[in-house]
Amino acid sequence: AAGVIQSPRHLIKEKRETATLKCYPIPRHDTVYWYQQGPGQDPQFLISFYEKMQSDKGSIPDRFSAQQFSDYHSELNMSSLELGDSALYFCASSPLTGTPNTGELFFGEGSRLTVL
Amino acid sequence: AQKVTQAQTEISVVEKEDVTLDCVYETRDTTYYLFWYKQPPSGELVFLIRRNSFDEQNEISGRYSWNFQKSTSSFNFTITASQVVDSAVYFCALTRGVYGSSNTGKLIFGQGTTLQVKP
Repeated sequence: AAGVIQSPRHLIKEKRETATLKCYPIPRHDTVYWYQQGPGQDPQFLISFYEKMQSDKGSIPDRFSAQQFSDYHSELNMSSLELGDSALYFCASSPLTGTPNTGELFFGEGSRLTVL
Repeated sequence: AQKVTQAQTEISVVEKEDVTLDCVYETRDTTYYLFWYKQPPSGELVFLIRRNSFDEQNEISGRYSWNFQKSTSSFNFTITASQVVDSAVYFCALTRGVYGSSNTGKLIFGQGTTLQVKP
């Protein structure tokens, strides 16, 4: 079965550079969530999109932006990178439209960003 | 406000021992979901179980079992006859369960419990 695809899996950037992470949800999933997990930390919710519109926002820095495209894939853009942005970034997707909420949520394998 | 507490930061056991990972949650919602995820050293989040707030039946899956008690707001996870491959960080998480709500994937995670199973 198709899963959530994240790319790249690993990314190394310098401070003040820009990085873009991509997420391809499971087919027919219209909701995407982004999480950030710092070293030794639990995952923290950043932002979510439903039907290409931002649906919720968590502790996402102003330097970060994200969007969901017409094919439902999502991109997380991070600018002016700081050392503290080094983390594992997870994308998750869920089916929402027309379905009772079953709490189903599927995570990708994560993208590991290292800022030097 | 929602909160998940995993009071055990690290647990170390010897292979074949049973081990229970505690999870206590806080929420004002009447409908919610609880999850357990395993995160091995490779980093991915492996889904273990999802339980809605109306289903308090305990569940067993192989060596894994879960005890959900609304009266104490706990959702504990037991591994029977632990194995070295069980070594990982385990996260308990909570989300709202509102029908059609777009924030139901906004998981609140506990701090995680690192389980080390020694041979």
